Amino acid sequence: SAVISQKPSRDICQRGTSLTIQCQVDSQVTMMFWYRQQPGQSLTLIATANQGSEATYESGFVIDKFPISRPNLTFSTLTVSNMSPEDSSIYLCSLERGETQYFGPGTRLLVL
Amino acid sequence: GQQLNQSPQSMFIQEGEDVSMNCTSSSIFNTWLWYKQDPGEGPVLLIALYKAGELTSNGRLTAQFGITRKDSFLNISASIPSDVGIYFCAGQLIRGGTSYGKLTFGQGTILTVHP
Repeated sequence: SAVISQKPSRDICQRGTSLTIQCQVDSQVTMMFWYRQQPGQSLTLIATANQGSEATYESGFVIDKFPISRPNLTFSTLTVSNMSPEDSSIYLCSLERGETQYFGPGTRLLVL
Repeated sequence: GQQLNQSPQSMFIQEGEDVSMNCTSSSIFNTWLWYKQDPGEGPVLLIALYKAGELTSNGRLTAQFGITRKDSFLNISASIPSDVGIYFCAGQLIRGGTSYGKLTFGQGTILTVHP
Protein backbone atom coordinates (compact mmCIF):
# COMPACT_ATOMS: atom_id res chain seq x y z
CA SER A 1 0.00 0.00 0.00
CA ALA A 2 0.99 3.65 0.11
CA VAL A 3 0.33 6.80 2.11
CA ILE A 4 -0.55 9.73 -0.13
CA SER A 5 -1.74 13.14 1.00
CA GLN A 6 -3.12 16.00 -1.04
CA LYS A 7 -3.57 19.68 -0.27
CA PRO A 8 -5.99 21.33 -0.36
CA SER A 9 -8.69 18.71 0.15
CA ARG A 10 -11.21 21.06 -1.43
CA ASP A 11 -11.48 24.61 -2.70
CA ILE A 12 -13.92 27.01 -4.28
CA CYS A 13 -12.30 29.32 -6.80
CA GLN A 14 -13.31 32.15 -9.08
CA ARG A 15 -13.03 31.75 -12.83
CA GLY A 16 -9.81 33.08 -14.32
CA THR A 17 -7.74 32.24 -11.26
CA SER A 18 -5.28 29.38 -10.80
CA LEU A 19 -4.96 26.73 -8.10
CA THR A 20 -1.94 24.62 -7.25
CA ILE A 21 -2.58 21.19 -5.78
CA GLN A 22 0.14 19.45 -3.80
CA CYS A 23 0.73 15.72 -3.53
CA GLN A 24 3.06 14.19 -0.93
CA VAL A 25 3.85 10.48 -0.80
CA ASP A 26 5.36 8.41 2.00
CA SER A 27 8.43 7.11 0.18
CA GLN A 28 10.40 7.72 -2.98
CA VAL A 29 8.72 6.71 -6.22
CA THR A 30 9.73 7.18 -9.82
CA MET A 31 6.33 7.56 -11.43
CA MET A 32 3.52 9.77 -10.18
CA PHE A 33 0.33 10.49 -12.03
CA TRP A 34 -2.41 13.11 -12.04
CA TYR A 35 -6.01 12.20 -12.83
CA ARG A 36 -9.22 14.17 -13.21
CA GLN A 37 -12.63 12.87 -12.19
CA GLN A 38 -15.43 15.02 -13.46
CA PRO A 39 -18.74 14.94 -11.55
CA GLY A 40 -20.35 11.51 -11.78
CA GLN A 41 -17.64 10.28 -14.13
CA SER A 42 -14.74 7.91 -14.12
CA LEU A 43 -11.07 8.84 -13.82
CA THR A 44 -9.08 10.22 -16.74
CA LEU A 45 -5.30 10.48 -16.77
CA ILE A 46 -4.02 14.04 -17.20
CA ALA A 47 -0.29 13.42 -17.18
CA THR A 48 2.56 11.28 -15.93
CA ALA A 49 5.19 13.04 -13.82
CA ASN A 50 8.65 11.49 -13.56
CA GLN A 51 11.26 13.17 -11.43
CA GLY A 52 13.91 14.92 -13.47
CA SER A 53 11.99 15.11 -16.70
CA GLU A 54 9.09 16.99 -18.23
CA ALA A 55 5.65 15.64 -17.54
CA THR A 56 4.02 13.61 -20.30
CA TYR A 57 0.49 14.79 -21.08
CA GLU A 58 -2.37 12.74 -22.40
CA SER A 59 -4.43 13.74 -25.40
CA GLY A 60 -6.67 16.66 -24.55
CA PHE A 61 -4.46 18.03 -21.79
CA VAL A 62 -1.75 20.66 -22.28
CA ILE A 63 1.06 22.00 -20.15
CA ASP A 64 -0.13 25.59 -20.31
CA LYS A 65 -3.42 24.62 -18.71
CA PHE A 66 -2.11 21.99 -16.29
CA PRO A 67 1.55 22.71 -15.47
CA ILE A 68 3.12 20.02 -13.30
CA SER A 69 6.21 20.08 -11.13
CA ARG A 70 8.11 17.09 -9.77
CA PRO A 71 10.99 18.53 -7.73
CA ASN A 72 11.86 15.29 -5.91
CA LEU A 73 10.85 11.65 -5.58
CA THR A 74 8.17 12.22 -2.92
CA PHE A 75 6.39 15.37 -4.09
CA SER A 76 4.50 16.76 -7.07
CA THR A 77 2.22 19.67 -7.82
CA LEU A 78 -0.51 20.18 -10.40
CA THR A 79 -1.70 23.67 -11.26
CA VAL A 80 -5.08 24.26 -12.82
CA SER A 81 -4.62 27.54 -14.68
CA ASN A 82 -7.10 30.17 -15.81
CA MET A 83 -9.95 28.16 -14.39
CA SER A 84 -13.46 27.97 -15.78
CA PRO A 85 -16.53 26.20 -14.36
CA GLU A 86 -15.74 23.24 -16.65
CA ASP A 87 -12.64 22.62 -14.53
CA SER A 88 -14.82 21.73 -11.55
CA SER A 89 -13.70 18.19 -10.78
CA ILE A 90 -11.87 15.98 -8.35
CA TYR A 91 -8.14 15.97 -9.04
CA LEU A 92 -6.25 12.92 -7.83
CA CYS A 93 -2.60 12.08 -7.69
CA SER A 94 -1.39 8.51 -7.70
CA LEU A 95 1.85 6.60 -7.51
CA GLU A 96 2.98 3.34 -8.93
CA ARG A 97 4.38 0.68 -6.66
CA GLY A 98 4.86 -2.94 -7.70
CA GLU A 99 2.94 -2.58 -10.97
CA THR A 100 -0.03 -1.27 -9.00
CA GLN A 101 -1.30 2.27 -8.62
CA TYR A 102 -2.41 3.81 -5.36
CA PHE A 103 -4.44 7.00 -5.16
CA GLY A 104 -4.52 10.01 -2.92
CA PRO A 105 -7.77 11.26 -1.35
CA GLY A 106 -8.34 13.83 -4.09
CA THR A 107 -8.83 17.59 -4.24
CA ARG A 108 -12.40 18.69 -4.85
CA LEU A 109 -12.43 21.84 -6.92
CA LEU A 110 -15.46 24.00 -7.61
CA VAL A 111 -15.05 26.91 -10.00
CA LEU A 112 -17.68 29.62 -9.90
CA GLY B 1 -8.05 4.62 -28.00
CA GLN B 2 -8.70 1.86 -25.57
CA GLN B 3 -12.07 1.67 -23.91
CA LEU B 4 -13.33 -0.35 -21.01
CA ASN B 5 -16.99 -1.28 -20.81
CA GLN B 6 -18.04 -1.90 -17.23
CA SER B 7 -21.40 -3.35 -16.31
CA PRO B 8 -23.77 -3.03 -14.71
CA GLN B 9 -23.80 0.75 -14.25
CA SER B 10 -25.66 0.38 -10.95
CA MET B 11 -26.98 -2.31 -8.68
CA PHE B 12 -29.52 -2.27 -5.86
CA ILE B 13 -29.31 -5.37 -3.70
CA GLN B 14 -30.36 -6.67 -0.31
CA GLU B 15 -27.82 -7.25 2.41
CA GLY B 16 -26.52 -10.80 2.21
CA GLU B 17 -26.85 -11.12 -1.55
CA ASP B 18 -23.92 -11.81 -3.84
CA VAL B 19 -22.83 -9.24 -6.44
CA SER B 20 -21.07 -9.65 -9.75
CA MET B 21 -19.71 -6.97 -12.07
CA ASN B 22 -17.45 -7.18 -15.09
CA CYS B 23 -15.32 -5.23 -17.51
CA THR B 24 -14.52 -5.90 -21.13
CA SER B 25 -11.95 -4.22 -23.32
CA SER B 26 -11.33 -3.81 -27.01
CA SER B 27 -7.61 -4.26 -26.32
CA ILE B 28 -5.37 -6.53 -24.31
CA PHE B 29 -4.15 -5.48 -20.89
CA ASN B 30 -1.28 -6.89 -18.86
CA THR B 31 -2.78 -5.97 -15.50
CA TRP B 32 -6.34 -5.61 -14.24
CA LEU B 33 -7.08 -3.68 -11.08
CA TRP B 34 -10.31 -3.28 -9.14
CA TYR B 35 -10.90 -0.20 -6.99
CA LYS B 36 -13.64 0.99 -4.65
CA GLN B 37 -14.39 4.67 -4.19
CA ASP B 38 -16.38 5.93 -1.22
CA PRO B 39 -18.00 9.39 -1.33
CA GLY B 40 -15.41 12.09 -0.78
CA GLU B 41 -12.50 9.70 -1.02
CA GLY B 42 -9.98 8.56 -3.58
CA PRO B 43 -10.18 5.07 -5.09
CA VAL B 44 -8.89 2.30 -2.84
CA LEU B 45 -7.30 -0.76 -4.40
CA LEU B 46 -9.24 -3.97 -3.76
CA ILE B 47 -7.58 -6.58 -5.95
CA ALA B 48 -4.75 -6.61 -8.51
CA LEU B 49 -4.50 -9.28 -11.22
CA TYR B 50 -1.29 -9.84 -13.18
CA LYS B 51 -1.72 -13.06 -15.18
CA ALA B 52 -4.31 -14.23 -17.69
CA GLY B 53 -6.61 -16.73 -16.00
CA GLU B 54 -5.58 -15.61 -12.51
CA LEU B 55 -8.27 -15.93 -9.85
CA THR B 56 -7.62 -13.94 -6.68
CA SER B 57 -9.61 -13.50 -3.49
CA ASN B 58 -9.52 -10.82 -0.83
CA GLY B 59 -11.96 -11.72 1.93
CA ARG B 60 -15.44 -11.70 0.43
CA LEU B 61 -14.12 -10.37 -2.87
CA THR B 62 -13.03 -12.56 -5.76
CA ALA B 63 -11.72 -11.32 -9.09
CA GLN B 64 -10.50 -13.03 -12.23
CA PHE B 65 -8.28 -11.97 -15.11
CA GLY B 66 -9.85 -13.30 -18.30
CA ILE B 67 -7.99 -15.78 -20.47
CA THR B 68 -8.20 -13.47 -23.48
CA ARG B 69 -6.71 -10.64 -21.34
CA LYS B 70 -9.58 -8.46 -22.51
CA ASP B 71 -11.92 -8.93 -19.58
CA SER B 72 -12.18 -9.25 -15.83
CA PHE B 73 -14.92 -9.77 -13.27
CA LEU B 74 -15.35 -8.96 -9.59
CA ASN B 75 -17.65 -10.88 -7.26
CA ILE B 76 -18.67 -9.79 -3.79
CA SER B 77 -20.24 -12.47 -1.63
CA ALA B 78 -22.67 -11.96 1.24
CA SER B 79 -22.85 -8.19 0.80
CA ILE B 80 -23.00 -5.89 3.81
CA PRO B 81 -24.02 -2.21 4.07
CA SER B 82 -20.41 -0.99 4.06
CA ASP B 83 -19.97 -2.44 0.57
CA VAL B 84 -21.87 0.60 -0.70
CA GLY B 85 -19.79 2.69 -3.08
CA ILE B 86 -18.57 2.94 -6.64
CA TYR B 87 -16.47 0.10 -8.00
CA PHE B 88 -14.06 0.73 -10.87
CA CYS B 89 -12.10 -1.66 -13.00
CA ALA B 90 -8.87 -0.45 -14.55
CA GLY B 91 -6.54 -1.96 -17.11
CA GLN B 92 -2.83 -1.30 -17.41
CA LEU B 93 -0.29 -1.99 -20.12
CA ILE B 94 3.26 -3.11 -19.57
CA ARG B 95 5.77 -2.22 -22.25
CA GLY B 96 9.39 -3.17 -22.60
CA GLY B 97 9.62 -4.89 -19.23
CA THR B 98 8.56 -1.81 -17.29
CA SER B 99 5.15 -0.51 -16.47
CA TYR B 100 3.81 2.06 -18.83
CA GLY B 101 1.80 3.29 -15.93
CA LYS B 102 -1.29 4.58 -17.64
CA LEU B 103 -4.52 3.17 -16.27
CA THR B 104 -7.67 3.03 -18.37
CA PHE B 105 -10.76 3.04 -16.16
CA GLY B 106 -14.20 1.58 -16.62
CA GLN B 107 -17.24 3.77 -16.12
CA GLY B 108 -17.88 2.43 -12.64
CA THR B 109 -20.61 0.37 -10.97
CA ILE B 110 -22.63 2.12 -8.28
CA LEU B 111 -23.56 -0.39 -5.59
CA THR B 112 -26.39 0.20 -3.13
CA VAL B 113 -27.01 -2.34 -0.38
CA HIS B 114 -30.30 -2.27 1.48
CA PRO B 115 -30.13 -3.51 5.08
